[in-house]
Amino acid sequence: GDSVTQMEGPVTLSEEAFLTINCTYTATGYPSLFWYVQYPGEGLQLLLKATKADDKGSNKGFEATYRKETTSFHLEKGSVQVSDSAVYFCARYTGNQFYFGTGTSLTVIP
Amino acid sequence: EPEVTQTPSHQVTQMGQEVILRCVPISNHLYFYWYRQILGQKVEFLVSFYNNEISEKSEIFDDQFSVERPDGSNFTLKIRSTKLEDSAMYFCASSQGTGRAREQYFGPGTRLTVT
Repeated sequence: GDSVTQMEGPVTLSEEAFLTINCTYTATGYPSLFWYVQYPGEGLQLLLKATKADDKGSNKGFEATYRKETTSFHLEKGSVQVSDSAVYFCARYTGNQFYFGTGTSLTVIP
Repeated sequence: EPEVTQTPSHQVTQMGQEVILRCVPISNHLYFYWYRQILGQKVEFLVSFYNNEISEKSEIFDDQFSVERPDGSNFTLKIRSTKLEDSAMYFCASSQGTGRAREQYFGPGTRLTVT
């Protein structure tokens, strides 16, 4: 069935390191793809999204490109900060429902 | 910035008891949702609600679950007789509309622990 698979964590990086969190999806049709972030004690917040193939979503230095040929939507950031420590969820949107991955916990140390 | 709120943040209950999880969606939103996340597993869709009725529900949302919008601001999820496997984080969400890429705004979640 349709699903979202994302890289397992936890991930620990030093400040200013490069971040990649992998996400792949299976789906019929062409879903919209999202990254949500959950900071400690808070709800899920939309980080970025892409609605069609080759679209690039970007926000707060994070980027992800909708790759239809590899069915991927990997999240990247060139230089992480301590304030980026959070859980990141990849999701696809089909039929008015979100289907989430399991989440990847990121800790950035000074 | 408007936000979705949920109460309580943590609820502990005994197996077989009824629980009601509360959510206050963003005021001009028309569509409401419940999701849950069992520890270490995916966030799963439970139900969507529009115009005072359920519009979609997943297989998880069986007869033990019900949703209600008792007034103009609250949106509740009731579990009639809790089971151990209902222990999870429950997220409420709301959106202005539906359709492609219509953003859902999520609350901080209620952690339900069934003992």
